[in-house]
Amino acid sequence: AQSVSQHNHHVILSEAASLELGCNYSYGGTVNLFWYVQYPGQHLQLLLKYFSGDPLVKGIKGFEAEFIKSKFSFNLRKPSVQWSDTAEYFCAVSPDSNYQLIWGAGTKLIIKP
Amino acid sequence: NAGVTQTPKFQVLKTGQSMTLQCAQDMNHEYMSWYRQDPGMGLRLIHYSVGAGITDQGEVPNGYNVSRSTTEDFPLRLLSAAPSQTSVYFCASSYTSGNQPQHFGDGTRLSIL
Repeated sequence: AQSVSQHNHHVILSEAASLELGCNYSYGGTVNLFWYVQYPGQHLQLLLKYFSGDPLVKGIKGFEAEFIKSKFSFNLRKPSVQWSDTAEYFCAVSPDSNYQLIWGAGTKLIIKP
Repeated sequence: NAGVTQTPKFQVLKTGQSMTLQCAQDMNHEYMSWYRQDPGMGLRLIHYSVGAGITDQGEVPNGYNVSRSTTEDFPLRLLSAAPSQTSVYFCASSYTSGNQPQHFGDGTRLSIL
């Protein structure tokens, strides 16, 4: 079955630290890739997406992600986190077999001021 | 522009009761979907619709019904509530299909006693 794995369920960092959240998926065909963020008390919102082209994509608020097809990965990065980045981050994959989103379990990120 | 509006925000039901979760969007999106979010499991697709009059099952459809009589509205019905349906429910919409960026409502937190 198709699945999405997010390696860390909880991550705690200090402000200004660098961030990398892992995301791997199990599907050999073409995929669209997404990262969504859910700030405390808010709804999910799109952080960035990859459909095709440059595998390094930039999103809002200084986030970026790199698609590595050979590793089936789409890791999220930010060079220097801020307290306001405290949120839950979800990776989602849409395979071309059914065009629905398959979601990872999420990573809760806590930034210590 | 309200986006995706879900009502109610909170609801407590007794086992066996039925209820309808409402979802409306004002962006003229063709695609709408319902997810449930459970701790440690990410989002799971319940039902989706690619346009008025068209609905289909997602990953976890049992115990839920949907209809799409208009482009704007996509209600989710719990036929006979069970404790296993305690969850947070999100409605989402996108222009054409599930593999496009989705706009989410604020969620409905449902508890079944």
